[in-house]
Amino acid sequence: DTGVSQDPRHKITKRGQNVTFRCDPISEHNRLYWYRQTLGQGPEFLTYFQNEAQLEKSRLLSDRFSAERPKGSFSTLEIQRTEQGDSAMYLCASSLAIAGIPDTQYFGPGTRLTVL
Amino acid sequence: KQEVTQIPAALSVPEGENLVLNCSFTDSAIYNLQWFRQDPGKGLTSLLLIQSSQREQTSGRLNASLDKSSGRSTLYIAASQPGDSATYLCAPTTDSWGKFQFGAGTQVVVTP
Repeated sequence: DTGVSQDPRHKITKRGQNVTFRCDPISEHNRLYWYRQTLGQGPEFLTYFQNEAQLEKSRLLSDRFSAERPKGSFSTLEIQRTEQGDSAMYLCASSLAIAGIPDTQYFGPGTRLTVL
Repeated sequence: KQEVTQIPAALSVPEGENLVLNCSFTDSAIYNLQWFRQDPGKGLTSLLLIQSSQREQTSGRLNASLDKSSGRSTLYIAASQPGDSATYLCAPTTDSWGKFQFGAGTQVVVTP
């Protein structure tokens, strides 16, 4: 078990471009979460999945953001028409929930997005 | 909405001193609370998870207590070392799906 991985680790893009991030959770973890973190703040929840089902989206997730988790394995987070305000660290976490009880969340190293 | 406050925001101690980090939250109906550390520019590393039915949890030099009724958790780090320098975050969840609400963290510096 190699932990949660994220790709790329860093992304620099120009305003208006689309970007996609990938998260590979710990194998057999059924829950996957996306958070966003800006400098000096704690992470803010964006969305989460139970297997392949996206269960909740934060109001922070505008229509320009979309997330998928096909087949309940890896997940992608896409941002369309990026804006400078999207610059942040995007963190992915996974956990194994048994009988619906939330358990320890394990975080990946994050993807640092800079929008110029 | 759950509000999480961590005090102090920053802390500097000499090596060997014990650390006491405080976390308070407004909604006491939590499922659990997790403590993390974060090194600059890195992801979060899980330290301890306390279930709502527990009063404390220990791992090595780390001990976390939970007082759900008063909406407080405290992380104790015994005999601090320079390698303990990091930002420490607490995150309770009031959601059966495990969605966290994070505090802004306490930035700790341990000087040799």
